[in-house]
Amino acid sequence: GAVVSQHPSWVICKSGTSVKIECRSLDFQATTMFWYRQFPKQSLMLMATSNEGSKATYEQGVEKDKFLINHASLTLSTLTVTSAHPEDSSFYICSARGTGTGVSPLHFGNGTRLTVT
Amino acid sequence: GNSVTQMEGPVTLSEEAFLTINCTYTATGYPSLFWYVQYPGEGLQLLLKATKADDKGSNKGFEATYRKETTSFHLEKGSVQVSDSAVYFCALFRAGNMLTFGGGTRLMVKP
Repeated sequence: GAVVSQHPSWVICKSGTSVKIECRSLDFQATTMFWYRQFPKQSLMLMATSNEGSKATYEQGVEKDKFLINHASLTLSTLTVTSAHPEDSSFYICSARGTGTGVSPLHFGNGTRLTVT
Repeated sequence: GNSVTQMEGPVTLSEEAFLTINCTYTATGYPSLFWYVQYPGEGLQLLLKATKADDKGSNKGFEATYRKETTSFHLEKGSVQVSDSAVYFCALFRAGNMLTFGGGTRLMVKP
């Protein structure tokens, strides 16, 4: 089945630094990728939707200058958390949807646990 | 707008017990419905899906039937195992390529 690889699986960084998270579709072309944030014991909150070659669409309340999303190719999207602060610590999950599909489920990466100290 | 409501957890069961996790939804038109499972420290995996009314999705002993009259998609399993311990998310899919998730239900199965 379709595989989405997310890297790194965990990262610890100091406050004020930036962190980049990669999301790759390994065996299909992902026209649309989604970035979610999950707080402990809570559901997934959609942060943004990105389409290859165009600007990401951010959900209300998500700072686009803080969470930079780049979807430069059909197999790669990146999320950069800029000037990270402890409140940005969370579990970030990407998902991807392929081309040529009708009603299809999204394929999820395994998530990245970010801890900002 | 679209919404999904799941029963709150945690649900704690003994091994081989019967499982039901309730899920109801609100949506216009005819959404597709999904159950995803999240094991500790991992992302989400699709467990099963149903795309139209009266469809039954099934996988790994889990089942859920798309009930339009009650706008429900309850997850069931006849005999749970310790390895089924995870968080389960009900979700609906509508135009715009977006999934709307329920709040998740944590299942704990004790040996």
